[in-house]
Amino acid sequence: AQSVTQPDIHITVSEGASLELRCNYSYGATPYLFWYVQSPGQGLQLLLKYFSGDTLVQGIKGFEAEFKRSQSSFNLRKPSVHWSDAAEYFCAVGAKSYNTDKLIFGTGTRLQVFP
Amino acid sequence: ETGVTQTPRHLVMGMTNKKSLKCEQHLGHNAMYWYKQSAKKPLELMFVYNFKEQTENNSVPSRFSPECPNSSHLFLHLHTLQPEDSALYLCASSQVRIGHNEQFFGPGTRLTVL
Repeated sequence: AQSVTQPDIHITVSEGASLELRCNYSYGATPYLFWYVQSPGQGLQLLLKYFSGDTLVQGIKGFEAEFKRSQSSFNLRKPSVHWSDAAEYFCAVGAKSYNTDKLIFGTGTRLQVFP
Repeated sequence: ETGVTQTPRHLVMGMTNKKSLKCEQHLGHNAMYWYKQSAKKPLELMFVYNFKEQTENNSVPSRFSPECPNSSHLFLHLHTLQPEDSALYLCASSQVRIGHNEQFFGPGTRLTVL
């Protein structure tokens, strides 16, 4: 069965520090992978996505993620975190079902940024 | 502005009330989704509509009743809810075509059932 694991429930970093959020997936075929961010009281915003091709993908707000098939991972990174990056981050894998697009989400990682 | 709007943003209702959540997408998409987001749980897909036809119902209790009158509007009718139904309800839309396509989310409706 398809699943997504985000092993870190809560991460705290200092502003300016680097960041890596972990994501592992279980999926039988070539996965479609996504990272979404949710600020308090808001819906989910797409940060980046991987469909095929270059395994290092660039997203908005200076984020990037690397797809590693051998490790079934799609970790999110940012070289220097800003206070405005404090939010909840969700990794998701996409699956096709009856001609619709299903997203299977992890439980999320809450990022706290200290000044 | 994500192109997907939801009303109301907050809703408090008693267990005997009947209310409806509304979602509208301005992106010209052909598929719409309802998700439930509870604390400490992954987002749960509830319903999917593709070209106004329901294509997914993930064993959602009948006290939740979706309606999709056209490809731009999606409703979730609520009746006889339980306190454990309190959650953030998110609507999303996508353009379904070959491959997998990203979903665009609305801001959600925060529902509290007393």
